[in-house]
Amino acid sequence: GAVVSQHPSRVICKSGTSVKIECRSLDFQATTMFWYRQFPKQSLMLMATSNEGSKATYEQGVEKDKFLINHASLTLSTLTVTSAHPEDSSFYICSARVPQGAYEKLFFGSGTQLSVL
Amino acid sequence: AQTVTQSQPEMSVQEAETVTLSCTYDTSESDYYLFWYKQPPSRQMILVIRQEAYKQQNATENRFSVNFQKAAKSFSLKISDSQLGDAAMYFCAYDDTGGGSEKLVFGKGTKLTVNP
Repeated sequence: GAVVSQHPSRVICKSGTSVKIECRSLDFQATTMFWYRQFPKQSLMLMATSNEGSKATYEQGVEKDKFLINHASLTLSTLTVTSAHPEDSSFYICSARVPQGAYEKLFFGSGTQLSVL
Repeated sequence: AQTVTQSQPEMSVQEAETVTLSCTYDTSESDYYLFWYKQPPSRQMILVIRQEAYKQQNATENRFSVNFQKAAKSFSLKISDSQLGDAAMYFCAYDDTGGGSEKLVFGKGTKLTVNP
């Protein structure tokens, strides 16, 4: 089946640094990818929709200058957390749509745990 | 705005028994999609089952089935013959953007424990 690979699985960084998270579709082309954030014991919240070759669409309340999204190819979307601060510590998950028969199915990456010291 | 409510933060079940997880949602749309996702300790999100609102028949996937009550805006998940591997967080999710699983709205989740 379709696989979405997310890297790194865990990252620890100092406050003020930037961190890049990659989301790759391994055996299919993904024109659209989605980035979610999950705080401890909380649900997933959609941050932004990443569209290949165009600007990402951000959800209300998500700072686009802080969470930079690039979808330069049909198999790769990246999320860069710029000038990270401790409050940005969270679990970040990407997902991609794959047409499967009569409807499209959403596949998720394995997530990235970001800890900002 | 659409909301999804899971009123059971935690549930437990004996192995081989049946358990039902509750989910209610609020929407003014008539056509939408509902999902149950499983998140095991690995934190990988796994689709368990999908229901289209215009279909009256409840979806089933092997040991997993739903009770979809459109008028009541209720979408419960029944797990039969529970197995140790079913232990996980279960999230109910809603989508009305044409069924493409785009802007999913998730509930807060139910932690399911399966006792041997």
